[in-house]
Amino acid sequence: ILNVEQSPQSLHVQEGDSTNFTCSFPSSNFYALHWYRWETAKSPEALFVMTLNGDEKKKGRISATLNTKEGYSYLYIKGSQPEDSATYLCAFIRHTGNQFYFGTGTSLTVIP
Amino acid sequence: KAGVTQTPRYLIKTRGQQVTLSCSPISGHRSVSWYQQTPGQGLQFLFEYFSETQRNKGNFPGRFSGRQFSNSRSEMNVSTLELGDSALYLCASSLTVHEQYFGPGTRLTVT
Repeated sequence: ILNVEQSPQSLHVQEGDSTNFTCSFPSSNFYALHWYRWETAKSPEALFVMTLNGDEKKKGRISATLNTKEGYSYLYIKGSQPEDSATYLCAFIRHTGNQFYFGTGTSLTVIP
Repeated sequence: KAGVTQTPRYLIKTRGQQVTLSCSPISGHRSVSWYQQTPGQGLQFLFEYFSETQRNKGNFPGRFSGRQFSNSRSEMNVSTLELGDSALYLCASSLTVHEQYFGPGTRLTVT
């Protein structure tokens, strides 16, 4: 069984706070790591695809880093806004297949 | 470009019945994957179809099956429903392994 873990499970922050969460995955046989944002009653939406150790990606106030040697990725949100409230999922893909292994997600609530 | 569509969106079934869920991928996408999400669990991979062939399979019992048609539309079937099958079922289509586009899901309730 391949474990992808995300922490914390849930997070409540005040509007304007910056926050970050972690995705841990096996460090061997790495191919790619995906981050998704999943708002209630909507479909998961891709945020980032990360493939190289040391990758840093940014989209507006959201950024992510990747460390494949130690098997973790961080997602950062700067100046959280209520519209950032969602569940953030990461998915690990091994080198030997097309299957996505998802973590259980971090549920973020931004309080106005 | 139209997104991934899933039908029906909501379904209530009784234990022991069977159910078929449908997924229409984005035009041109040949890979369709199915996932189950239950409370407290991440998205659990069921199976992936590519060009009408099952390419990958997760750890679910044989009651869960699927198929893909020549137009890439996919169906998922669950036979002899159990209460624990109540879940959100998501499908995702992709053109390459670098992306997955998800549908809105089918919420199945088994009573």
